[in-house]
Amino acid sequence: DIVMTQSQKFMSTSVGDRVSVTCKASQNVGTNVAWYQQKPGQSPKALIYSASYRYSGVPDRFTGSGSGTDFTLTISNVQSEDLAEYFCQQYNSYPLTFGAGTKLELK
Amino acid sequence: EVKLVESGGGLVQPGGSLRLSCATSGFTFTDYYMSWVRQPPGKALEWLGFIRNKANGYTTEYSASVKGRFTISRDNSQSILYLQMNTLRAEDSATYYCARDHYGSKAYWGQGTLVTVSA
Repeated sequence: DIVMTQSQKFMSTSVGDRVSVTCKASQNVGTNVAWYQQKPGQSPKALIYSASYRYSGVPDRFTGSGSGTDFTLTISNVQSEDLAEYFCQQYNSYPLTFGAGTKLELK
Repeated sequence: EVKLVESGGGLVQPGGSLRLSCATSGFTFTDYYMSWVRQPPGKALEWLGFIRNKANGYTTEYSASVKGRFTISRDNSQSILYLQMNTLRAEDSATYYCARDHYGSKAYWGQGTLVTVSA
């Protein structure tokens, strides 16, 4: 199975900052990576697919990048509503696998 | 508007069975792969499997952790997705989400239904 490693369980940021959440795949997954946002008590919301394509309605301050094994979700000008947990997922091969998540918190 | 609404969760004893449903609306159900994903309390997401669309013969794929115990099916006439869960274990306790796929990513998610396996 492909392991998606989000090495930072928690990240601290301030409103207006730029923050990058990273995800490393244990094997080459091309650009078959998605990113999700999950707020407490809510279901996940899709942000990015194919590593860098934003879903409709997702603010352009969310940017995905990377290919192969290293991927990044960058949030520019962080807003208070962005404080949530972020998960990466690979869909290059079965079983589809998710990262353990990174919680974005206020400093 | 795309809507996914899960139901059928609850408390079940170890070894028991449960069937979850996911009622969908707002899109052409037969055009899409549909998935089940679960999340134990405070833990990460785990993909369980999916069922392909009409063009791909409604075939299924499962994770090893549930293959042989869980079955994904769909009622295309009513746009409902199902997850039949048998031989349930304590470690199956989680919130279960259905999701509509987009080339392997999960574009839309339901609100989830909680399954607790306990004596």
